Amino acid sequence: DIVMTQTPLSSPVTLGQPASISCRSSQSLIYSDGNTYLSWLQQRPGQPPRLLIYKISNRFSGVPDRFSGSGAGTDFTLKISRVEAEDVGVYYCMQATQFPWTFGQGTRVEIK
Amino acid sequence: EVQLVESGGGLVQPGGSLRLSCAASGFTFSSYWMSWVRQAPGKGLEWVANIKKDGSEKYYVDSVKGRFTISRDNAKNSLYLQMNSLRVEDTAVYYCARHFDYSYGPWGQGTLVTVSS
Repeated sequence: DIVMTQTPLSSPVTLGQPASISCRSSQSLIYSDGNTYLSWLQQRPGQPPRLLIYKISNRFSGVPDRFSGSGAGTDFTLKISRVEAEDVGVYYCMQATQFPWTFGQGTRVEIK
Repeated sequence: EVQLVESGGGLVQPGGSLRLSCAASGFTFSSYWMSWVRQAPGKGLEWVANIKKDGSEKYYVDSVKGRFTISRDNAKNSLYLQMNSLRVEDTAVYYCARHFDYSYGPWGQGTLVTVSS
């Protein structure tokens, strides 16, 4: 199985400041069709996960443009340009290039 | 609005059974693969099972093979997970999730399954 490793595991941030989360996969996520199936999910406290970003950098419906994704191969990044109070929660990266689809361990974003 | 609503969770003894349901609305259910994903208390996310649009293909994580069965009824816009021989380690919130371009979106609110004596 592909192992997804996120850093940091916890990220205290100041409101209005940027935040960044890294995700590294144990092998390349480039699929045979040329796409890279790396997603980011947000889980607010007490809520189910919510899809933010798919295929590295595509925002899902309704996701604010302060969220952006980048990366290639085995190294990926989620950036929040200006953190708002509603962004508090745990963020997961997820790969769907190889079965079974696997998740990172999660990064907790909290306000300083 | 796309909506997924799970039901059927509860407290069950080890070795017992439960059947989870997920009612879908707001989209053409029969056009999407669907999955069950679980989250143990305070832990991360784990894919459990998925099923093709027409139900002809089903896949499971190794730890539930032979014990869990995923199914769907496209006429009723519903997804199911039959869970037998439940173990303490199956305790988790179970989410149903729609596949979207090799990801999961959206997710239901989840239903809690507690396996304990």
